[in-house]
Amino acid sequence: KAGVTQTPRYLIKTRGQQVTLSCSPISGHRSVSWYQQTPGQGLQFLFEYFSETQRNKGNFPGRFSGRQFSNSRSEMNVSTLELGDSALYLCASQGSGGTDTQYFGPGTRLTVL
Amino acid sequence: AQSVTQPDIHITVSEGASLELRCNYSYGATPYLFWYVQSPGQGLQLLLKYFSGDTLVQGIKGFEAEFKRSQSSFNLRKPSVHWSDAAEYFCAVGEDGAQKLVFGQGTRLTINP
Repeated sequence: KAGVTQTPRYLIKTRGQQVTLSCSPISGHRSVSWYQQTPGQGLQFLFEYFSETQRNKGNFPGRFSGRQFSNSRSEMNVSTLELGDSALYLCASQGSGGTDTQYFGPGTRLTVL
Repeated sequence: AQSVTQPDIHITVSEGASLELRCNYSYGATPYLFWYVQSPGQGLQLLLKYFSGDTLVQGIKGFEAEFKRSQSSFNLRKPSVHWSDAAEYFCAVGEDGAQKLVFGQGTRLTINP
């Protein structure tokens, strides 16, 4: 099976812009989670989508949003970018069971100038 | 709230030496525990997980971990490290089963030849 894919791998944006990141889960997986990784805060959970519905949400401002499509692909959007949004954004896909393993993609490196 | 502590930010060992990476968690119920590894520029790869049963868990690449409820610990071990084990290691606890992962700050492992 193909793994989790994320596009683009690298992005450079300026403050105030918005950005959309994409994640394609492993075939058959219906859950997609997003994490932010920064040197200062480490790995933090953003949100999780299952069957096109947000099922879990982390403690991030409303500028961070996401959605999931009927084919389980997911996008996350960050509006009004701030310098502190520079991070590696990781997507993880999971099967339908609540205890299934999360498989991570390679991430999208976002740099905000 | 759940939390994970990895007391060692950086560990250096010689190739062929044994390794133990420490992880302590705070969680009210029976935890779902994970160890992931991240190589530079890569996503996270699952090494092993513990949900229930035998408290000594075997993983990939020769790693094992032992769950000790009395100490709230889930330490990762390997009897003999290889240069290719140099990476960052993350311990995580799952909320809502394995749907939302709370990560420790990570331990960077350096291998001396």
